[in-house]
Amino acid sequence: KAGVTQTPRYLIKTRGQQVTLSCSPISGHRSVSWYQQTPGQGLQFLFEYFSETQRNKGNFPGRFSGRQFSNSRSEMNVSTLELGDSALYLCASSGQGAANSPLHFGNGTRLTVT
Amino acid sequence: QKEVEQDPGPLSVPEGAIVSLNCTYSNSAFQYFMWYRQYSRKGPELLMYTYSSGNKEDGRFTAQVDKSSKYISLFIRDSQPSDSATYLCAMSEGNQFYFGTGTSLTVIP
Repeated sequence: KAGVTQTPRYLIKTRGQQVTLSCSPISGHRSVSWYQQTPGQGLQFLFEYFSETQRNKGNFPGRFSGRQFSNSRSEMNVSTLELGDSALYLCASSGQGAANSPLHFGNGTRLTVT
Repeated sequence: QKEVEQDPGPLSVPEGAIVSLNCTYSNSAFQYFMWYRQYSRKGPELLMYTYSSGNKEDGRFTAQVDKSSKYISLFIRDSQPSDSATYLCAMSEGNQFYFGTGTSLTVIP
């Protein structure tokens, strides 16, 4: 079974620009979560989508948004990029959410903002 | 106080050693406990997934959960250089996950 696929793997953007990251979950998984990982802060939860609805949201500004499509694929958008947005963005999928299924992560998108 | 506390290390051991990685937590409502391994430039990979207190073994890896002490451990027997990575503990309550900051492990040949 194919794992979680994230594209692109690397991105370099300039302050003020916007960016869209893409995630394809494991086949059959309906929950997709996004995390930001930085050396100082570890894994920070952005949001979770289940059946096209945002079910949970972390403490990030409104510049960070996401959506999920009917095929469970998800996109994350960051507008008006800041230097501090440089991080590894990880997508994770699970079958039903936490109660019965752990998270399975992709290899992330490394975003560098200059 | 963070929900999950994990010693960041770094931890350096000789090949063949037994490694012990630990996390403590404060929320008694956590139900499921996980360990992830993350290599450089890769995403976290699920190693162990447990529910109840006690031990779960998978090859050279043993996960231990003590809910009364709010303490979980991952033991790696006969450690190999390929085990060099960052290890993250994680816990869940309902459909929300909480992660430790990770322990960096280096196994020296």
